[in-house]
Amino acid sequence: EPEVTQTPSHQVTQMGQEVILRCVPISNHLYFYWYRQILGQKVEFLVSFYNNEISEKSEIFDDQFSVERPDGSNFTLKIRSTKLEDSAMYFCASSSMTAYEQYFGPGTRLTVT
Amino acid sequence: AQSVTQLGSHVSVSEGALVLLRCNYSSSVPPYLFWYVQYPNQGLQLLLKYTTGATLVKGINGFEAEFKKSETSFHLTKPSAHMSDAAEYFCAVSSAANDYKLSFGAGTTVTVRA
Repeated sequence: EPEVTQTPSHQVTQMGQEVILRCVPISNHLYFYWYRQILGQKVEFLVSFYNNEISEKSEIFDDQFSVERPDGSNFTLKIRSTKLEDSAMYFCASSSMTAYEQYFGPGTRLTVT
Repeated sequence: AQSVTQLGSHVSVSEGALVLLRCNYSSSVPPYLFWYVQYPNQGLQLLLKYTTGATLVKGINGFEAEFKKSETSFHLTKPSAHMSDAAEYFCAVSSAANDYKLSFGAGTTVTVRA
């Protein structure tokens, strides 16, 4: 069964460093998303991406964040200069043309020290 | 705007007992409603969804949920809990008007007593 994959599973970085979180969505999907979950809090929407551009972003997704689909398979989230409060589990999701169901990857746990 | 409220952050049930997880939503447009389950150290797995049509929807692992527009609710039930149901459960809402982005509730942790 097709699935969304994410790498790395755990990333530790120092404050101020750049990180890139990688995702491989399901191959025939067209909509891509990033969410995050700070420990003990609810899952929050960050950004949606369709047709090679951002279709919507939350207020969390400021200028420090960017997304890219550099080739036909990968979907990346870059945090330019990490802060302590960026520590969270980051989930990638994708959905097909109907967009009703989003399939989630296993997440990347980002720890900023 | 859309939002979800899950009543009860923690539910404890005996094995074989009914599982009932409550979810109320707020949406200014017709909603799509979802339940996701998260097992420890894993991602979010879709349990079931309501988009249109039949208001009682069945999902995986014996779970079902009923969309009640008049009550703005989408409660999740399972007649008989199993030890493997211990996990965190998230209710979520989306809509075409909001680019299908999911708004999640705070989650309910289910523990199952032997």
